[in-house]
Amino acid sequence: SYVLTQPPSVSVAPGQTARITCGGNNIGSKSVHWYQQKPGQAPVLVVYDDSDRPSGIPERFSGSNSGNTATLTISRVEAGDEADYYCQVWDSSSDSVVFGGGTKLTVL
Amino acid sequence: EVQLVESGGGLVKPGGSLRLSCAASGFTFSSYSMNWVRQAPGKGLEWVSSISSSSSYIYYADSVKGRFTISRDNAKNSLYLQMNSLRAEDTAVYYCARADRVARIGDCGMDVWGQGTTVTVSS
Repeated sequence: SYVLTQPPSVSVAPGQTARITCGGNNIGSKSVHWYQQKPGQAPVLVVYDDSDRPSGIPERFSGSNSGNTATLTISRVEAGDEADYYCQVWDSSSDSVVFGGGTKLTVL
Repeated sequence: EVQLVESGGGLVKPGGSLRLSCAASGFTFSSYSMNWVRQAPGKGLEWVSSISSSSSYIYYADSVKGRFTISRDNAKNSLYLQMNSLRAEDTAVYYCARADRVARIGDCGMDVWGQGTTVTVSS
């Protein structure tokens, strides 16, 4: 089955740029979606189809996808961005949705 | 307001059954595929099952295949998850989530989520 690998944690100072990676075999050929989840809350879609943002999501959130790595980039990080972030793809070979293990973003 | 509200969670013994419901409002439910996603305590998100808008296509995670059944009633704007032969490892918060675009299943994001319902499997 398809596996998505994320770093367990990423730390960044306020105002800096956070980059959260999602690794998978030839992930560049798939559409990657990203979610933000704060403690005790449901996930929120922040990027879909590699780099598109749903309405209401700040432009500070952006995404890219190429080769074996997709990246969620959060510019000008704020304290309110502290959360768990998950990447997600569809694996057509097994007809299944796959989530990455999640990355905890800490704002120093 | 677009909204999903789950219900039906609770405490059940190993081997028991439970039926979860998800009530949708504020959008044309019959146009969207729907998903169940769960999250065990302190763990990450795990996809459980997806169903297309007309129930023509249904997919399950290997971990629940043969034990769980997803269904929907478009007339009642409701999504269901029948869970049988429950195990301790099924303990989780269960979320229902909407596909992020009309008439697409699988290869899309999930843009509307419920608040979740908690299922605890323990003797």
